Amino acid sequence: GNSVTQMEGPVTLSEEAFLTINCTYTATGYPSLFWYVQYPGEGLQLLLKATKADDKGSNKGFEATYRKETTSFHLEKGSVQVSDSAVYFCALIPPDNFNKFYFGSGTKLNVKP
Amino acid sequence: DAEITQSPRHKITETGRQVTLACHQTWNHNNMFWYRQDLGHGLRLIHYSYGVHDTNKGEVSDGYSVSRSNTEDLPLTLESAASSQTSVYFCASRGILNEQFFGPGTRLTVL
Repeated sequence: GNSVTQMEGPVTLSEEAFLTINCTYTATGYPSLFWYVQYPGEGLQLLLKATKADDKGSNKGFEATYRKETTSFHLEKGSVQVSDSAVYFCALIPPDNFNKFYFGSGTKLNVKP
Repeated sequence: DAEITQSPRHKITETGRQVTLACHQTWNHNNMFWYRQDLGHGLRLIHYSYGVHDTNKGEVSDGYSVSRSNTEDLPLTLESAASSQTSVYFCASRGILNEQFFGPGTRLTVL
């Protein structure tokens, strides 16, 4: 079946530190992969996405590369800011059902000044 | 700008009452979704719709219903609210590149 596994949080970093949030997936074929961010009290916002192997999604300094060989889509940022504190969700949609999103459990990021 | 809105943002109700949560999108998307978000469970799909007059059950649909009379709106109704339905509810619609766009959420408390 289809599933997404994210690293457990919370992740606590100091400002300007390097961020990695691990995400691995299980799916048949070539799913599309997404990272969403949820700030406190708000809905989920699309952060970036990749639709085929070796694609790199990027936005607001965040990056993630679609790795078919390791079934991973790890989120990275070179220098985090306090304003990046949020919950990050990895998600996939399978190629045979574009309406079925599979979300990871979310990883809370706390960035300290 | 096109957007997706939810109302109310906060609601407190009593057990047994009927409650309707509104969702409105201005993108003209055919596909719309309702999720609930709970600690320890992440996001769970309640109902979804592929278009006007189409509705489908998700993984946690018991106690909920939806109707789709136009493209813009997908209201979610709790027929008889239960304490187990205390949650944060998110509406979403699917764009042409398959990403889902989420509303700001409704925090529902059932006493």
